[in-house]
Amino acid sequence: DAGITQSPRHKVTETGTPVTLRCHQTENHRYMYWYRQDPGHGLRLIHYSYGVKDTDKGEVSDGYSVSRSKTEDFLLTLESATSSQTSVYFCAIKKASGRAGNTGELFFGEGSRLTVL
Amino acid sequence: DQQVKQNSPSLSVQEGRISILNCDYTNSMFDYFLWYKKYPAEGPTFLISISSIKDKNEDGRFTVFLNKSAKHLSLHIVPSQPGDSAVYFCAAKGLARAGSYQLTFGKGTKLSVIP
Repeated sequence: DAGITQSPRHKVTETGTPVTLRCHQTENHRYMYWYRQDPGHGLRLIHYSYGVKDTDKGEVSDGYSVSRSKTEDFLLTLESATSSQTSVYFCAIKKASGRAGNTGELFFGEGSRLTVL
Repeated sequence: DQQVKQNSPSLSVQEGRISILNCDYTNSMFDYFLWYKKYPAEGPTFLISISSIKDKNEDGRFTVFLNKSAKHLSLHIVPSQPGDSAVYFCAAKGLARAGSYQLTFGKGTKLSVIP
């Protein structure tokens, strides 16, 4: 258990509305990630953070923004949700020490299922 | 450009037999390869990894083989059990911008182990 909590776990919204997903961690890890999982596409990186206020884009960042104002929280925002953003969103953290420090192993949250109508 | 490829969307295996899941990659700069297992409505969980300087890593019923010249790795599960039924993702660790690292995932293979 890497102490990751995602909220909300389920959300249904309408096209054009803003949505914010929250990832909270309790272990003070520096690196945090947002992925989306879609059938036929696997897991794709949206944005990641390498420290407070330090973020960078992943391969599918269009339409998403992120913020990290404190170590424990990494927020993913859809400014104006579209139906193509219907997906399951996973937050992940990377531990700096131990096996994960070498392998790059990520620990994932339980996911947030977003439906955009 | 898909850097990590899992070309088999699904695989069915009889309980007790061997399951072999395959993964190909294109980026020779990846230094670690990982396999994740995912059950429905749960987050992916780490299963096993292998360094790019090794050709085999074993952990109980799970063995990962790496063929660097072919840019190919495979996960063997012996013997397969019904509880192994899940989606398996292959992932590769590479250098991202800003000196950090990221994992690039394949599309996944859904394994069904038939009792």
